[in-house]
Amino acid sequence: AQTVTQSQPEMSVQEAETVTLSCTYDTSENNYYLFWYKQPPSRQMILVIRQEAYKQQNATENRFSVNFQKAAKSFSLKISDSQLGDTAMYFCAFMKHAWGGSEKLVFGKGTKLTVNP
Amino acid sequence: GAGVSQTPSNKVTEKGKYVELRCDPISGHTALYWYRQSLGQGPEFLIYFQGTGAADDSGLPNDRFFAVRPEGSVSTLKIQRTERGDSAVYLCASSLTPTARFATQYFGPGTRLTVL
Repeated sequence: AQTVTQSQPEMSVQEAETVTLSCTYDTSENNYYLFWYKQPPSRQMILVIRQEAYKQQNATENRFSVNFQKAAKSFSLKISDSQLGDTAMYFCAFMKHAWGGSEKLVFGKGTKLTVNP
Repeated sequence: GAGVSQTPSNKVTEKGKYVELRCDPISGHTALYWYRQSLGQGPEFLIYFQGTGAADDSGLPNDRFFAVRPEGSVSTLKIQRTERGDSAVYLCASSLTPTARFATQYFGPGTRLTVL
């Protein structure tokens, strides 16, 4: 079974600064996907960024980028130029590739990020 | 287009009662997932539908939980004889197809269930 570990329950950062959220995972699979989801107080889970395990290049989406280290099974999220609207719970999630089958997400426990003005 | 919608937004019930939670996926999405998120935890998988059939129900905690998707669109999660431990946010997600290329799941706002 796959597991996802987020070792930082809470983090804070000043507006406009950079913060990195950590995530490690455990799997014996070779083909899989990794995700970062954001969950503000409204409860809506919003996809921030995704990474295919077969791609060596780290994914980026505007101010968000990841550092994917496949051998180390590490998948950290870097948020640059932090904004007040980035305040939320952030969840790292793993999905194994299953041809035509269930691709359920396995989530970590989350990191609560607070951006201070 | 419209996202995933879930009703009700909040549900308060008494121990032992029956509840139904509804999910409307994004139009055209064939895959539908239910997750449960307890306080301070990440979501945990409950059940997955591909079309009308439950392709993977390995996450359902016991036989009090049941879900249907009769026409391959709207899904209903049903909980019998509710217990206080069932209190959680129930999240629904849909994806275009379970194949690799469109693996991204889009979530609804959830239903917060409180069992008194």
